[in-house]
Amino acid sequence: DAMVIQNPRYQVTQFGKPVTLSCSQTLNHNVMYWYQQKSSQAPKLLFHYYDKDFNNEADTPDNFQSRRPNTSFCFLDIRSPGLGDAAMYLCATSRGGGGGNQPQHFGDGTRLSIL
Amino acid sequence: DAKTTQPNSMESNEEEPVHLPCNHSTISGTDYIHWYRQLPSQGPEYVIHGLTSNVNNRMASLAIAEDRKSSTLILHRATLRDAAVYYCIRNNAGNMLTFGGGTRLMVKP
Repeated sequence: DAMVIQNPRYQVTQFGKPVTLSCSQTLNHNVMYWYQQKSSQAPKLLFHYYDKDFNNEADTPDNFQSRRPNTSFCFLDIRSPGLGDAAMYLCATSRGGGGGNQPQHFGDGTRLSIL
Repeated sequence: DAKTTQPNSMESNEEEPVHLPCNHSTISGTDYIHWYRQLPSQGPEYVIHGLTSNVNNRMASLAIAEDRKSSTLILHRATLRDAAVYYCIRNNAGNMLTFGGGTRLMVKP
């Protein structure tokens, strides 16, 4: 089955130690998104790639960066994680274009804990 | 600003229909209405979406008011596996999802 895969499901890192979360897709979708979901809150969009074009949300901290080396993979880098960055990080994909007519397909997330 | 309003929680009995309401009174003419649901410890799952006409798929039906200021997600026979948070989202031309608080659906056996 075509899908969005996030690894690992659980990640523990130390305060201030850089961490990378990964996402892969077999859907061949143009667009890949990263969301942050804190406990008991709704997902919040951090940024997305439309093909190779990176689009950052205005209120995403500089501490969060992303890379998309090819269509299938996208990475979320947190340069210096703070305690407030503990959350579930969700990757999603969609076809491009369509003006709001494209469903997004989500992975099951990586739950990040900060010690 | 999610720009949609949903009840915080709803309860249903197993095998009965469930109607989940959503208000989006400031919706623009080109915004699609998307519904996603999120089960515990999983990522959101796409349920259904529409623009003006009612829509049906294997998971649910979406009834959209004629003025498009509200919509209702219909689960025809609720099962215990349908217990989740259901998000109603206005999806604009950029295809960016802004999640609101959603409705937590509880299904009683």
